Amino acid sequence: EVQLVESGGGLVQPGGSLRLSCVASGFPFSGFWMNWVRQAPGKGLEWVANIKEDGSVKNYGESVKGRFTVSRDNAKKSVYLQMRSLRAEDTALYYCARNRGFEALDYWGQGNLVTVSS
Amino acid sequence: EIVLTQSPGTLSLSPGESATLSCRASQTVDTRYFAWYQQKPGQAPRLLIYDVSSRASGIPDRFSGSGSGTDFTLTINRLEPEDFAVYYCQQSVTFGQGTTVEIK
Repeated sequence: EVQLVESGGGLVQPGGSLRLSCVASGFPFSGFWMNWVRQAPGKGLEWVANIKEDGSVKNYGESVKGRFTVSRDNAKKSVYLQMRSLRAEDTALYYCARNRGFEALDYWGQGNLVTVSS
Repeated sequence: EIVLTQSPGTLSLSPGESATLSCRASQTVDTRYFAWYQQKPGQAPRLLIYDVSSRASGIPDRFSGSGSGTDFTLTINRLEPEDFAVYYCQQSVTFGQGTTVEIK
């Protein structure tokens, strides 16, 4: 069974940093691109970042470029999202998701809430 | 940057009826990257359709996708109670704003 379990969310002050983790199981992790998608409270979906199977290619949404860094450790079957210079508008539920190809996200984690507030 | 506009914003229907959801792109898209998702309250999104018309694993055949160029449609035949949810279209890294299918 494919599972994606996220951790690392919480409350952080504006300007602060946070690192999200997502541990995968049930599939050959190193064979898939992985994505991060977020959803602000009561709002729609926003793509955040993705990373290639071997970590050699990373892409970011405009709203997080330069502040967020995606990485992965295939030995640990994990993908990470390092978030810096956080703003109130980064408050959202952050999902990691498996990319089956052409950005179709076929498995999602349960979501991890990040709240940026003083 | 491609913008996806979904319509209507809300669709009020009864179980057993059919739903037609529209997604219009601001420019011609690569259809290989076109997908539809369903999201229920408190749950993560679920992939329904990818590559415009291919159903994801475990998705019932009452869900179907069609379209080309800039106009795409998700059709849900014979709505079941569990189908009332929010639906998002996606083209590559862009999502539409969502259509809510609610019980009339």
